[in-house]
Amino acid sequence: GAVVSQHPSWVICKSGTSVKIECRSLDFQATTMFWYRQFPKQSLMLMATSNEGSKATYEQGVEKDKFLINHASLTLSTLTVTSAHPEDSSFYICSARGFSGYEQYFGPGTRLTVT
Amino acid sequence: AQSVAQPEDQVNVAEGNPLTVKCTYSVSGNPYLFWYVQYPNRGLQFLLKYITGDNLVKGSYGFEAEFNKSQTSFHLKKPSALVSDSALYFCAVRDMSYTDKLIFGTGTRLQVFP
Repeated sequence: GAVVSQHPSWVICKSGTSVKIECRSLDFQATTMFWYRQFPKQSLMLMATSNEGSKATYEQGVEKDKFLINHASLTLSTLTVTSAHPEDSSFYICSARGFSGYEQYFGPGTRLTVT
Repeated sequence: AQSVAQPEDQVNVAEGNPLTVKCTYSVSGNPYLFWYVQYPNRGLQFLLKYITGDNLVKGSYGFEAEFNKSQTSFHLKKPSALVSDSALYFCAVRDMSYTDKLIFGTGTRLQVFP
């Protein structure tokens, strides 16, 4: 139980284009989903927290107009990187938390490379 | 502000020996503590959590963690390490703000040698 998927697992895009990453909770309903960014050999940096049906809460320093987050249902959240630049290249990981419990369940991550 | 610290960047241990990965925390109030493991190019896997109750928490894959309030520590342990335990381990604490987010430590790389 508590499986979270991400799609795609890796993506290469050209500078200036937009990329959408999907995060799905497969066997539970996620009241809250989180989006993280991880640089090589570093810890996770929380980008934003989203609750179903409401606007995402972004961490300080994260550009909300660049990283668009939508949490349209209890099983799906999307992160869209708009007008991507090479410095946006990173490993993006989502997590989801259900109605009960405090632990988050993580997706396998999406590696984004912007050329 | 809530925080966790993992003082060791890397821990090396021989297969079959006991392992300990250290974590200390700083919170106001009662802490909610977690351990996660990350294998290369993968997301994090939940190992165990401490919310309340027994100070010794048992988790997945034979791991356990000991909550020590006086030392503000939550060290991860395993009696006998396996080569397959080699991975990146993260300690985390729940932020009691309205976002209810997790605050992660910097991670400790565990290397188990055959």
